[in-house]
Amino acid sequence: DAGVTQSPTHLIKTRGQHVTLRCSPISGHKSVSWYQQVLGQGPQFIFQYYEKEERGRGNFPDRFSARQFPNYSSELNVNALLLGDSALYLCASMRSMDSPLHFGNGTRLTVT
Amino acid sequence: AQSVTQLDSQVPVFEEAPVELRCNYSSSVSVYLFWYVQYPNQGLQLLLKYLSGSTLVKGINGFEAEFNKSQTSFHLRKPSVHISDTAEYFCAVTLYGGSQGNLIFGKGTKLSVKP
Repeated sequence: DAGVTQSPTHLIKTRGQHVTLRCSPISGHKSVSWYQQVLGQGPQFIFQYYEKEERGRGNFPDRFSARQFPNYSSELNVNALLLGDSALYLCASMRSMDSPLHFGNGTRLTVT
Repeated sequence: AQSVTQLDSQVPVFEEAPVELRCNYSSSVSVYLFWYVQYPNQGLQLLLKYLSGSTLVKGINGFEAEFNKSQTSFHLRKPSVHISDTAEYFCAVTLYGGSQGNLIFGKGTKLSVKP
């Protein structure tokens, strides 16, 4: 079975721009979580979605938003990019709310 | 609120030596505990988890961890490491009964195994 797939793998944006990151969960997984991993730090929780509903939100500004589609794929949107948004963005999926997480390889976002 | 402290940012060790990576957590309520491994340019992979029951948890690749409630610790151990164990290791926590999708991670420990 295919694992969690994220696109694109790398992305370079300019300050003030908008970015959309995409995630396809493992087949049969109904929940998607997003994490931000700044260089040298552990991942930080951004959002969790289950059955298309938001089930958790981390301490991130409103510039960050996400949604989950009927096929359980997900998008993370970031508006008005700042230099500090440069990071590895990780998507993870789980079969149900009490299942373990399976991570994708991430999207490396660089903001210049 | 919960928090996780990984006491060592880097741990160098020789091949076939034992290793312990330390993790302490802070929480006023019961928690679930996890260890993840991240190889270069990859996502995270679950090594093991403690949800309830036996405090000694065995995971993949020969790793194990022991939950110590009185010391609020969840240290990761391996009796004999290989070069292939070189990676970054993250301890994580979430509320007992809560979603395993909403985790609080420590800052990580880079394990470097030398020949």
